[in-house]
Amino acid sequence: DGGITQSPKYLFRKEGQNVTLSCEQNLNHDAMYWYRQDPGQGLRLIYYSQIVNDFQKGDIAEGYSVSREKKESFPLTVTSAQKNPTAFYLCASSPFQGSPLGGVFGQGTRLTVV
Amino acid sequence: AQSVTQPDIHITVSEGASLELRCNYSYGATPYLFWYVQSPGQGLQLLLKYFSGDTLVQGIKGFEAEFKRSQSSFNLRKPSVHWSDAAEYFCAVGSPRGGRDDKIIFGKGTRLHILP
Repeated sequence: DGGITQSPKYLFRKEGQNVTLSCEQNLNHDAMYWYRQDPGQGLRLIYYSQIVNDFQKGDIAEGYSVSREKKESFPLTVTSAQKNPTAFYLCASSPFQGSPLGGVFGQGTRLTVV
Repeated sequence: AQSVTQPDIHITVSEGASLELRCNYSYGATPYLFWYVQSPGQGLQLLLKYFSGDTLVQGIKGFEAEFKRSQSSFNLRKPSVHWSDAAEYFCAVGSPRGGRDDKIIFGKGTRLHILP
């Protein structure tokens, strides 16, 4: 079945370490997105990508980095520069930027800094 | 700039009662509009969407939403809620232009509680 797979489901990181969250889709979607979710904050956009080898900063990109080397993959790195990384991270994809079909979401990765 | 407002952070209704969740948006033209549902610790599932045509949209799980251009609203409704509807609901706005900088903007969510 087509869908989005995020891994791992839970991730623990020591302060000062970089960590990479995986997002893979087999929907043949061009656009992919990373959101951060905190209680009471809703979803905030970190980065998004419309095509391979191209991506744009969202509203809260500081302390994060991404790559889009393959259409189906959009990994997110949470760097040591991100001051408060503990959150729930959601990856999504859509057929193209601005698709009226909305986004398909993965099941999320909960990152905790210990 | 695009924005989405969900005025109610929490709503509590009794099982079997009707439900309306409010959503107001700000956008220069008619945007794409979405409602998503999220169960605890899970991703988001699309309930319904509007991008043109009939302003009353039917979705999954018995939900519907009505687009009212004059009020810039896209409220979600259900005639009779079930205990399994307890979740968080997000309204979202997307741009129909499909440009490089276009993105989907989410409201902060409304958590729905169901009383037995």
